[in-house]
Amino acid sequence: KQEVTQIPAALSVPEGENLVLNCSFTDSAIYNLQWFRQDPGKGLTSLLLIQSSQREQTSGRLNASLDKSSGRSTLYIAASQPGDSATYLCAGLRDDKIIFGKGTRLHILP
Amino acid sequence: ETGVTQTPRHLVMGMTNKKSLKCEQHLGHNAMYWYKQSAKKPLELMFVYNFKEQTENNSVPSRFSPECPNSSHLFLHLHTLQPEDSALYLCASSRGSGLNQPQHFGDGTRLSIL
Repeated sequence: KQEVTQIPAALSVPEGENLVLNCSFTDSAIYNLQWFRQDPGKGLTSLLLIQSSQREQTSGRLNASLDKSSGRSTLYIAASQPGDSATYLCAGLRDDKIIFGKGTRLHILP
Repeated sequence: ETGVTQTPRHLVMGMTNKKSLKCEQHLGHNAMYWYKQSAKKPLELMFVYNFKEQTENNSVPSRFSPECPNSSHLFLHLHTLQPEDSALYLCASSRGSGLNQPQHFGDGTRLSIL
């Protein structure tokens, strides 16, 4: 059974720091890996989608990597800002099943 | 504004009530989804519709009944719910079929079962 794990569950860092969020999955045969952001009381916002043939995707200060052999993905946030505070979720897709992690709750300290 | 609108935003109902959740997308997408987000549990995919046809039902109890009259509208009809059904219900849409496309989410309906 595919499982997606996100560590840590919560993270607080000072503004301006670079940080890495981790996502691991048990089944390396995933089709793609997506990172989402969720603000309190809101739905999810898709940040980056990495296809199985890709190794990484970049959007602005965000960079996501995918290593299927080790079953890991990381989301790198450069020069963090208070507006980056949110819960970040990763999700793996395989066989038309999408499995989400529980998320990492990120707090950027001003 | 995400382009996906869910109503109502909050709903409180008794276990014997019948209510419906509504989702509307203005993005011209062909696929729509219902998700359940419970406290301290991962987001769970409930139903998938492609071009108005249901293509996925992830073992969801029959007290949840989806309806997709067209590619822009999705409903979730609720009846005889249980307290454990209290959760945030999220609707999403995507271009094309399958889950291999970025999804756009609404802000959800917070459902509380008394």
